[in-house]
Amino acid sequence: EAQVTQNPRYLITVTGKKLTVTCSQNMNHEYMSWYRQDPGLGLRQIYYSMNVEVTDKGDVPEGYKVSRKEKRNFPLILESPSPNQTSLYFCASSSIAGVYEQYFGPGTRLTVT
Amino acid sequence: EDQVTQSPEALRLQEGESSSLNCSYTVSGLRGLFWYRQDPGKGPEFLFTLYSAGEEKEKERLKATLTKKESFLHITAPKPEDSATYLCAVQDYGGSQGNLIFGKGTKLSVKP
Repeated sequence: EAQVTQNPRYLITVTGKKLTVTCSQNMNHEYMSWYRQDPGLGLRQIYYSMNVEVTDKGDVPEGYKVSRKEKRNFPLILESPSPNQTSLYFCASSSIAGVYEQYFGPGTRLTVT
Repeated sequence: EDQVTQSPEALRLQEGESSSLNCSYTVSGLRGLFWYRQDPGKGPEFLFTLYSAGEEKEKERLKATLTKKESFLHITAPKPEDSATYLCAVQDYGGSQGNLIFGKGTKLSVKP
């Protein structure tokens, strides 16, 4: 089954404790992206990657890091999480040809206390 | 600065009562406009892509249209299973190819 998976689905952590949210897709997609979704603010792009070793900032990249060493994986790293990073995070992927027809993962709900 | 505004924020319909959702946008040059559906607790699901004014796309009870300043998502004779949040997104020629800007969505509720 074609899918985007994220882990963990739920995470509660404390300020300053480094964490990684994994994202993996099995569709051989070149394009992958991370979003956060907050009430009243909608879905906002954090980082995206057009292909392996190619990443770029979205609209809200501060406090986040990404890497794209393999085509299927695109982890999101929070080096020093803060409470304002409490949010619902989505990973998405697509082929380059249909870069905006994205497949989204199920989401990761992160709470930073 | 790119801006995507969706209206109304919420819409309640009776089953069978047709209506339209609006997405207005401001970009330097539209590369594409996209509609997604999001069910509670799930990731958005792609519906349509529109590229140029006058273009229309249809899928079951949904029809998306595009003008130079806005897009409409028309819902004909909706059913309760059409209840969801509908998201509009745009990509600007003036922005990075991979950058997608979403509106805040319209939450649609269809009562039987």
